[in-house]
Amino acid sequence: AQSVTQLGSHVSVSEGALVLLRCNYSSSVPPYLFWYVQYPNQGLQLLLKYTTGATLVKGINGFEAEFKKSETSFHLTKPSAHMSDAAEYFCAVSVIKAAGNKLTFGGGTRVLVKP
Amino acid sequence: EADIYQTPRYLVIGTGKKITLECSQTMGHDKMYWYQQDPGMELHLIHYSYGVNSTEKGDLSSESTVSRIRTEHFPLTLESARPSHTSQYLCASSRVSYNSPLHFGNGTRLTVT
Repeated sequence: AQSVTQLGSHVSVSEGALVLLRCNYSSSVPPYLFWYVQYPNQGLQLLLKYTTGATLVKGINGFEAEFKKSETSFHLTKPSAHMSDAAEYFCAVSVIKAAGNKLTFGGGTRVLVKP
Repeated sequence: EADIYQTPRYLVIGTGKKITLECSQTMGHDKMYWYQQDPGMELHLIHYSYGVNSTEKGDLSSESTVSRIRTEHFPLTLESARPSHTSQYLCASSRVSYNSPLHFGNGTRLTVT
């Protein structure tokens, strides 16, 4: 079975500083990886996804993530944090199964942006 | 702009009441899901459906039930609400393809007193 671990349930960054959110997964077959963002009182919104091809994936709002198979990681970064980036971020993994695919979410990381 | 709608957004109800949380999507997606999100943020899959007349229990045991009579509609019902059911409930949908992302509604925040 696949699993996802997000290191750090809370991250605090200064406005303009690098945002780095860590995600490691375990899967016995090639995974499909996703990052979602959740703003207060809203549902989750897709930031970016990795399926096949280029391992560096660019998403919305200036975020990007790199798939590193050797490290089983899919860390999310943004060069310069903005106040509007304050939200909760979820990493997720999906694998193909005989019974269909299911998405497994990490525990989430809450980002606080300090002025 | 939401293509998946959940109602109500907020619901406060007394113990023992029957409730139905509504979820509808206009994208023609075959797959639909219900997640329960606790105060610590973690998401737990409680129900999913591959299409009409298909429903499956998720990873987290839940006393709720679901139905899928129409492609666009996936309501969740609690026959007798309890305080332990207090949580946020998120509905989502996706295409069948294994690499398709989920589209989420804005959630229903349920409080059982």
